[in-house]
Amino acid sequence: QKEVEQNSGPLSVPEGAIASLNCTYSDRGSQSFFWYRQYSGKSPELIMSIYSNGDKEDGRFTAQLNKASQYVSLLIRDSQPSDSATYLCAVKETSGSRLTFGEGTQLTVNP
Amino acid sequence: DTEVTQTPKHLVMGMTNKKSLKCEQHMGHRAMYWYKQKAKKPPELMFVYSYEKLSINESVPSRFSPECPNSSLLNLHLHALQPEDSALYLCASSQAFTVYEQYFGPGTRLTVT
Repeated sequence: QKEVEQNSGPLSVPEGAIASLNCTYSDRGSQSFFWYRQYSGKSPELIMSIYSNGDKEDGRFTAQLNKASQYVSLLIRDSQPSDSATYLCAVKETSGSRLTFGEGTQLTVNP
Repeated sequence: DTEVTQTPKHLVMGMTNKKSLKCEQHMGHRAMYWYKQKAKKPPELMFVYSYEKLSINESVPSRFSPECPNSSLLNLHLHALQPEDSALYLCASSQAFTVYEQYFGPGTRLTVT
């Protein structure tokens, strides 16, 4: 059973739309959550971290966390073609400090 | 500055070769990581060094040998690799093992022939 699951994608949105990326996790005690963006052929880049329930905004990105539902999401407002990438959700395990990654969601923003 | 550097960018090696991957960070981070990433899959943790000591070895075959000469450098020594070891090898660092924001280097694309 996977510990971190993401919408399988690929996800395609028009330029200017809101892209919504979702992630669920199985470890109820998890406290730390991360979103990485990975362009094709490049390494993952940390774009958001969230530790408390609610929303955290950074520019066009908003991370949302609901620990009761074991759900974390990333919203990208005013999507741009440059946002086209694979987005990886990562969750820190309760025991220890490893990150567990989801399989990623490939996002394409169409001009 | 959240920069982690890795060399080389690309490496092609035969199954009998010995080579090393290098990683460097100058952010004062005390935890460093090696990950392996196959195409269209997430990164898989291989090793963790915390304060220059090996903290985690995820049952990686002995043909991969990590080394942490000092707090800024991390090496991965490769010997007698198999074609299935071809992958993107990523180094990452964080302020400490208990600080979870990990920053990745650009990676080394390894091809084993």
